[in-house]
Amino acid sequence: GNSVTQMEGPVTLSEEAFLTINCTYTATGYPSLFWYVQYPGEGLQLLLKATKADDKGSNKGFEATYRKETTSFHLEKGSVQVSDSAVYFCALSSSSGGGADGLTFGKGTHLIIQP
Amino acid sequence: DSGVTQTPKHLITATGQRVTLRCSPRSGDLSVYWYQQSLDQGLQFLIQYYNGEERAKGNILERFSAQQFPDLHSELNLSSLELGDSALYFCASSVGVGYGYTFGSGTRLTVV
Repeated sequence: GNSVTQMEGPVTLSEEAFLTINCTYTATGYPSLFWYVQYPGEGLQLLLKATKADDKGSNKGFEATYRKETTSFHLEKGSVQVSDSAVYFCALSSSSGGGADGLTFGKGTHLIIQP
Repeated sequence: DSGVTQTPKHLITATGQRVTLRCSPRSGDLSVYWYQQSLDQGLQFLIQYYNGEERAKGNILERFSAQQFPDLHSELNLSSLELGDSALYFCASSVGVGYGYTFGSGTRLTVV
């Protein structure tokens, strides 16, 4: 079956540091890949996505590249801010046909940015 | 406001009881998904509906059921509740396969 593995947290960084959160996946076929962010007390928000190999998703300074050869979708940001503190989830969508496409999530990485 | 509305925001009930969680999807979205988020299990996909029909089932217990109505809102029914059912229940909606989801802010269920 499908699975997503991401680095366990919490990850603590200083403001303006470089961020990498690793994500690898196992899936049949050609999944779409996503990063979601969850702020305290809120639902998940789509941060970025990539739908095919070598696609780069980007949003709000975050980037991730769909690497089929290494089955990875690592999240990066060049200079983090305190406001980036949240839980980040890597996910994949592998349609099984008929419009069925439940997302499979990783366990989430809690990111803490210190001023 | 994401456009996906979930009610109630909080629910406290006793073991053995039955509750109904409600979700209104974002305007134009035909797919509705239910997820359970707990500390030990993480985010677990429960079930997907598309335009009123069940499309996919995940780790949904037999004590749980869901439906999507003609106006596209959805309800998740949880019965014979156990302490372990305490969790955040999220609804999400999507316009189609591969587009990603829009999540609601969740219902926090506490079973005492």
